[in-house]
Amino acid sequence: DAKTTQPNSMESNEEEPVHLPCNHSTISGTDYIHWYRQLPSQGPEYVIHGLTSNVNNRMASLAIAEDRKSSTLILHRATLRDAAVYYCILRDRRGSQGNLIFGKGTKLSVKP
Amino acid sequence: NAGVTQTPKFRVLKTGQSMTLLCAQDMNHEYMYWYRQDPGMGLRLIHYSVGEGTTAKGEVPDGYNVSRLKKQNFLLGLESAAPSQTSVYFCASSYMGLAGVLYNEQFFGPGTRLTVL
Repeated sequence: DAKTTQPNSMESNEEEPVHLPCNHSTISGTDYIHWYRQLPSQGPEYVIHGLTSNVNNRMASLAIAEDRKSSTLILHRATLRDAAVYYCILRDRRGSQGNLIFGKGTKLSVKP
Repeated sequence: NAGVTQTPKFRVLKTGQSMTLLCAQDMNHEYMYWYRQDPGMGLRLIHYSVGEGTTAKGEVPDGYNVSRLKKQNFLLGLESAAPSQTSVYFCASSYMGLAGVLYNEQFFGPGTRLTVL
């Protein structure tokens, strides 16, 4: 699977939007972009995924660059509960294992 | 639905002892995984299973064995625990979607914190 690069940490204020960047310059045409987050002392949880088009769900939005070499996870109004480590993961849809390859992610802090 | 559950939540072992971690899911998922997470790191895959009766090695399988005798359960065994196996262990499961499993999310358990002295 191709690698991703994320900032180690970011800070946000409560109720403000947060843009979490991810670079994946070696992404292949069959790679999906997945985002997971891990709240303190919990297992990771799925946030969103996409291939080429921007995606929205109840948790977040995913903006994918036209060349697909970068993407941004957008939390529209950060809450204290959004403080977590956010992982950007590429998954090749041709693979059969289905496992996730985690990097170190971005630790998001939310200030009240 | 309980989702993915893990037993026990915490355990302390002495070097050389053995133990089994149990993962159970009630979502009828085909795929199950065992990961470990060391401080400040992302998760790494130990073993996985694509269906009942089948298992395969992941990135860091040494020192661990697994079994999937029932679809809903995935067991992780440590035959002779070592301090290097001190970690937090997460189990996950996912289902086979129409377009292939990789399109779909994984569901994680709450983790088992293991300390080997």
